[in-house]
Amino acid sequence: GENVEQHPSTLSVQEGDSAVIKCTYSDSASNYFPWYKQELGKRPQLIIDIRSNVGEKKDQRIAVTLNKTAKHFSLHITETQPEDSAVYFCAALIPPNDYKLSFGAGTTVTVRA
Amino acid sequence: DTGVSQDPRHKITKRGQNVTFRCDPISEHNRLYWYRQTLGQGPEFLTYFQNEAQLEKSRLLSDRFSAERPKGSFSTLEIQRTEQGDSAMYLCASSVPGHPNYGYTFGSGTRLTVV
Repeated sequence: GENVEQHPSTLSVQEGDSAVIKCTYSDSASNYFPWYKQELGKRPQLIIDIRSNVGEKKDQRIAVTLNKTAKHFSLHITETQPEDSAVYFCAALIPPNDYKLSFGAGTTVTVRA
Repeated sequence: DTGVSQDPRHKITKRGQNVTFRCDPISEHNRLYWYRQTLGQGPEFLTYFQNEAQLEKSRLLSDRFSAERPKGSFSTLEIQRTEQGDSAMYLCASSVPGHPNYGYTFGSGTRLTVV
């Protein structure tokens, strides 16, 4: 099955700086990669996703890049704010189906004011 | 219908007892999923329904676990003879096939503590 590894497990950044989280996946047939943000005690919420036919996607202060050759994808948060503090999970759709996600272990991001 | 609803939010039970959780998906979503999340880990896939049909069960779902979606709307997840290792957050999600972003919407989860 698909194996998703996520690094780092914790990340502390100064407000206004950038944060980068990296994930690798094992199955080259994976074609969809969402990122979820989970605040304490709340549900995971989709913040951005990317399909394997594009290399980069951006939505305001967040962006995701995908390197299919190396089988890794990254989340970039620019101009971090205190409300960005949360646990972030990457995931990959497990082929050959179109419904099952394999998640990374999560990155706890703390934005210092 | 503002999202996926799960009930209860928290459940404390004694080892050996049976528990049942409920999930109400977004009404137009015909796909429903159960995931389990333990502390410090990402969600792990348990099972998937398309309408009322349970199409896949993970190996994580032992024979003490059973899930149903009788009318293709709400779903229940039952755990029989609970064990301490069952303590986790049980997340339900729903989606529509072919949605541009696969439209996975999670509920807030049921946190189970087995004592």
